[in-house]
Amino acid sequence: DIVMTQSPDSLAVSLGERATINCKSSQSLLYSSNNKNYLAWYQQKPGQPPKLLIYWASTRESGVPDRFSGSGSGTDFTLTISSLQAEDVAVYYCQQYYNIPRTFGQGTNLEIK
Amino acid sequence: EVQLVESGGGLVQPGESPRLSCAASGFTFSNYWMYWVRQAPGKGLLWVSRINSDGSSTSYADSVKGRFTISRDNAKNTLYLQMNSLRAEDTAVYYCVREVTALARFGFDSWGQGTLVTVSS
Repeated sequence: DIVMTQSPDSLAVSLGERATINCKSSQSLLYSSNNKNYLAWYQQKPGQPPKLLIYWASTRESGVPDRFSGSGSGTDFTLTISSLQAEDVAVYYCQQYYNIPRTFGQGTNLEIK
Repeated sequence: EVQLVESGGGLVQPGESPRLSCAASGFTFSNYWMYWVRQAPGKGLLWVSRINSDGSSTSYADSVKGRFTISRDNAKNTLYLQMNSLRAEDTAVYYCVREVTALARFGFDSWGQGTLVTVSS
């Protein structure tokens, strides 16, 4: 199974500041035939199911604010929130869909400082 | 609008065998791979099982292999998870999830609200 490791486990950022969450996979998620990284990011607010934010490592899902961006390739990926808003308080998960099982990172708890 | 509604959770005793159901609507259910993902209280997301669009292929996490069975009825637009020999560590919210698989868009794009299964005597 591909192991996904996020850092940090918890993060406190001031409103309006940048938040950065890292995700590392135990093997490359870059599929050479289409040059796509099989990596997604999800946001889970308290009491709610997760919500797909980003797929192909950097493509925002429809309706996701452009302050959310994804980057990286191969085994190292980053989710960046450019200017933190109060409604962004949540747990964020990365997930690989390169193969089965579709493994998740352990989650990063994002709070307001 | 895509809707996934789980049912069948609750308080169960160790060793019991409940069946979870997920009623799907708002999309062509038979076109999609479907998953069960669980989340223990205060913990992260764990993939439990997946089934392909026509039900001919399934996969399971090692922690549930041989105890859980995923199935689907495309005529009824319903996904199932038969859970046998339940243990305390199976206590979790179980989510029914749709996976979209296309070059234009990929991922777990629709989630149910989840059903809580509590295993306790």
